[in-house]
Amino acid sequence: AQSVTQLGSHVSVSEGALVLLRCNYSSSVPPYLFWYVQYPNQGLQLLLKYTTGATLVKGINGFEAEFKKSETSFHLTKPSAHMSDAAEYFCAVSMEYGNKLVFGAGTILRVKS
Amino acid sequence: AAGVIQSPRHLIKEKRETATLKCYPIPRHDTVYWYQQGPGQDPQFLISFYEKMQSDKGSIPDRFSAQQFSDYHSELNMSSLELGDSALYFCASSLGSFIEQFFGPGTRLTVL
Repeated sequence: AQSVTQLGSHVSVSEGALVLLRCNYSSSVPPYLFWYVQYPNQGLQLLLKYTTGATLVKGINGFEAEFKKSETSFHLTKPSAHMSDAAEYFCAVSMEYGNKLVFGAGTILRVKS
Repeated sequence: AAGVIQSPRHLIKEKRETATLKCYPIPRHDTVYWYQQGPGQDPQFLISFYEKMQSDKGSIPDRFSAQQFSDYHSELNMSSLELGDSALYFCASSLGSFIEQFFGPGTRLTVL
């Protein structure tokens, strides 16, 4: 069965600092990988996704992630944090087209001024 | 652009009551997914439908049932509600085999 591990349930960074949210997956074959953001009392918004092709994926709001098959990782980064980035971030995997998403436990990002 | 619509947005029920949650997918989307997110937890897949047929089933209690109608909207029916059913219920939709799922704002169910 697929699983997703997000290291760090809470991450705190200063405004303008690098954001790094870690995600590792367990799968015998490369899955489809996603990062979602959830603001308080709101739904899930897709930040970016990896399907095939280029392993460095750029998403919305300046976020990007790199698929590293050898490390089974899909870490999310942003060069400079903004206060508006404070939210909860979920990494998710899907094994097939049209298949369900399996989510990690989430990482709450706090941005300090 | 049209998004996924869920109704109601908030629902309060007593134990042992029933609840019906509705989901209206993005126009032309034919696949609907339901997820449950408990307090402080990650979303857990419940069930999905493709072209009005159940396509996958996750950890959905037997007390819950769901269906997708001819207009592609879906309803999640929950009976004999328990305190532990209190959660945020998300619906997501996608177009056929396209893997990107678009999430609705969720229905927050509180069972007292």
